[in-house]
This record gives sequence, structure tokens and C-alpha cells, in this order.
Amino acid sequence: DGGITQSPKYLFRKEGQNVTLSCEQNLNHDAMYWYRQDPGQGLRLIYYSQIVNDFQKGDIAEGYSVSREKKESFPLTVTSAQKNPTAFYLCASSIEGNQPQHFGDGTRLSIL
Amino acid sequence: AQTVTQSQPEMSVQEAETVTLSCTYDTSENNYYLFWYKQPPSRQMILVIRQEAYKQQNATENRFSVNFQKAAKSFSLKISDSQLGDTAMYFCAFTRGETSGSRLTFGEGTQLTVNP
Repeated sequence: DGGITQSPKYLFRKEGQNVTLSCEQNLNHDAMYWYRQDPGQGLRLIYYSQIVNDFQKGDIAEGYSVSREKKESFPLTVTSAQKNPTAFYLCASSIEGNQPQHFGDGTRLSIL
Repeated sequence: AQTVTQSQPEMSVQEAETVTLSCTYDTSENNYYLFWYKQPPSRQMILVIRQEAYKQQNATENRFSVNFQKAAKSFSLKISDSQLGDTAMYFCAFTRGETSGSRLTFGEGTQLTVNP
């Protein structure tokens, strides 16, 4: 079945540590996205990529980094510069930027 | 910049009844798409319905329908014959019509509870 796989489901970060969240899709979608969701709130865009080897900052990119070396993969690194990383992170993909997005099941990141 | 506003943080409805969730948006674009997504307690985001701005006919998907008022920039979601499984957070979202550089802008969400 085609879909989006996020891993791990739960992740813990120590002070000063960088952690990487994985997002893989086999839908052959060009566009991929990372969102952050805080409790009781909507989704805020961190980064998005519309084609391999290209990506743009979203609304809250500070403290995060991404890469898009393969069409299928769009990993997100939460760096030590992100002082409040505890949140639920969702990855999504779409055929094109204006088409419906398909979402993964999310990764919950917490601070140790 | 586009904004999406959902003015009802929480709503409740009795099973089998009808409920309407409100959404307004602000844009200077003429070509765009609007979506409703559902996020149940599992936290998975599920597309409920989609509306193209150039289509005057309101979109419907089984028990879900929208009332799209382009001039008023309003995009409400009507759920008929509400079921317990409809309990979820509902998000309204907007994207420009261009394929390049387009991204979704989400509202803050409405938590809907269906009571037995």
C-alpha cells in the first residue's frame, strides 16, 4: 500500500543534542512538508520541498534543518538551537503544491 | 499573506443530528483551493473534503458537505447524521491555485464532540 511512514513514533532529546525525524513516502509525490503541532493548536509549517534538492522555509524554520536528496525522503533535524522542541511533528506529501496533502502518523518529540 | 479563521474552538452535537463548522479566510487570490481535514484522537490527519474556488457548486462527500460563499470568503462544513466516529478536531485549510510555491495554511481547529 502506498503511504507515508514517519519514524520513530516517540523520540526523546537530551539537552544540546540534535535529533533527526524520518519521513519516507512511496506515493511518487513531488512535494513534501513538515509541520509542528502543539497541544490544542493547529499545524504550523516548518519546511517544505517541491522538488528534489530544493526546499523552502516555512513559518517556524528556526532551529530546524532538512534535506531532500531523494524524492522519497525528507528528514527533519531538530537542532540544539530549537529551545522548545517538545511537540507533535507531522510529515505530509502531495502530487503538487496545490493538491491535497497525505499525512504520516506523526512523531512525538519530548525533552529528557 | 493568507489567513484562515475558525471561530468555534469547541462544538458538540448529539448522535444522528446535523452540525455546521465555520471557517472564514482572507486572500487576494482568485484561484485557490479550500480543504477540511479531520484529526481524530489517533492524531492522524484525514482529508474530509475539497473545494476549488472556480467551481460554484458546493462539494459533497457522503454525509459531509460544504457551503462555499466566495464573495463572503466563507467555507463552512456541514456534517449530517453525526456519528460517534466523527468526534475529532476539524481543520480548515487554504492553498493558492498555483502549483509552484503553494502551501497549506491551516486554521486553529474546531474540536467536535459527538454525544451518544
